[in-house]
Amino acid sequence: AQSVAQPEDQVNVAEGNPLTVKCTYSVSGNPYLFWYVQYPNRGLQFLLKYITGDNLVKGSYGFEAEFNKSQTSFHLKKPSALVSDSALYFCAVFSGSARQLTFGSGTQLTVLP
Amino acid sequence: ETGVTQSPTHLIKTRGQQVTLRCSSQSGHNTVSWYQQALGQGPQFIFQYYREEENGRGNFPPRFSGLQFPNYSSELNVNALELDDSALYLCASSLGGTTPYNEQFFGPGTRLTVL
Repeated sequence: AQSVAQPEDQVNVAEGNPLTVKCTYSVSGNPYLFWYVQYPNRGLQFLLKYITGDNLVKGSYGFEAEFNKSQTSFHLKKPSALVSDSALYFCAVFSGSARQLTFGSGTQLTVLP
Repeated sequence: ETGVTQSPTHLIKTRGQQVTLRCSSQSGHNTVSWYQQALGQGPQFIFQYYREEENGRGNFPPRFSGLQFPNYSSELNVNALELDDSALYLCASSLGGTTPYNEQFFGPGTRLTVL
């Protein structure tokens, strides 16, 4: 069965500093990986995805993620955090065999001014 | 182009009742997926509809059922409501059925409270 782990419930970072939100996954077959962001009282918004190709994936709002097959990780990064980046971030993996998207438990990112 | 919409926004039911949630997919999308997001947790896949047929199902009991209509809008029905069914129910639309190549676009969700 596929699974996603987000080991940090909460990440705090100062505005202007780089941020990293961690994600590890387990899936049989090729991994298809996603990051979504959720603002209060709103649905999830797609940030980026890894399907194949370059291990560094660039997405919306200046976010990027690095796929590491040997460490089964897909960490979300941003070089310079903004207060407006404060939100709940979800990593997800798609399993072709299970035919579904499986989400992690989420990481609350707080960017401090 | 309109995004994914869901109705109602909030709903309060009592244990044992039945509920119907509705979702209108984004223009041009033929696939709708439903998720349950309990407080403090990530969304859990309930099922997916593609061209009016159920196209995959997560680990939810049969009292969770759905429909997709010819215009690709969808309903989620839950019978015999239990307290643990209290959650945010998210609908997501996409193109092409079960594929990782087309991202899912989420609606704002319906907050269901079961008393």
